[in-house]
Amino acid sequence: AQSVTQLDSQVPVFEEAPVELRCNYSSSVSVYLFWYVQYPNQGLQLLLKYLSGSTLVKGINGFEAEFNKSQTSFHLRKPSVHISDTAEYFCAVSRSEKLVFGKGTKLTVNP
Amino acid sequence: DAGVIQSPRHEVTEMGQEVTLRCKPISGHNSLFWYRQTMMRGLELLIYFNNNVPIDDSGMPEDRFSAKMPNASFSTLKIQPSEPRDSAVYFCASSLSWRDYEQYFGPGTRLTVT
Repeated sequence: AQSVTQLDSQVPVFEEAPVELRCNYSSSVSVYLFWYVQYPNQGLQLLLKYLSGSTLVKGINGFEAEFNKSQTSFHLRKPSVHISDTAEYFCAVSRSEKLVFGKGTKLTVNP
Repeated sequence: DAGVIQSPRHEVTEMGQEVTLRCKPISGHNSLFWYRQTMMRGLELLIYFNNNVPIDDSGMPEDRFSAKMPNASFSTLKIQPSEPRDSAVYFCASSLSWRDYEQYFGPGTRLTVT
């Protein structure tokens, strides 16, 4: 069975600062990895996904993530955040049509 | 496309009452998922359907919960009788196919059971 650990429940940063949201997964087989974003009072929206190929994945809104198989990690990064990036971010893993989500990381961008 | 549509957006009910949550997936999508989100447990998959057929309901908490998908454009999640611990946000999501992996989420139904 797959599982996901998001190491930080809350991450406060200042506007225009870089940010990294950490995600580690455990699985005995190859998996697919995802980052979703949830803005307040909304559903989840896909930011980016890794299925195969290049380990550096670029997503929407300037986010990117790097798949590291040896460290079983899929950390999300953005070089310069905006106030509008304030949201909750979920890492997810899948080997089939079922997604297993982490507990989420609340990113708060302060002016 | 209107995206995944859920109704109602908010539901407040008393313990013991029946609650029905509704979902309309994106047209042409063949897989539908019901999730529950709480502070304590995070986002949990309750059940999912492929081509209107329930594939895995292992996440359904107990017999008080049931889900149906009578056709490709409609699904319901029913709780009978409801209990305060059922209070949560319930999300419906759909995907093009089981191989698509990308799920599109609705806005959710916030359920409060008093």
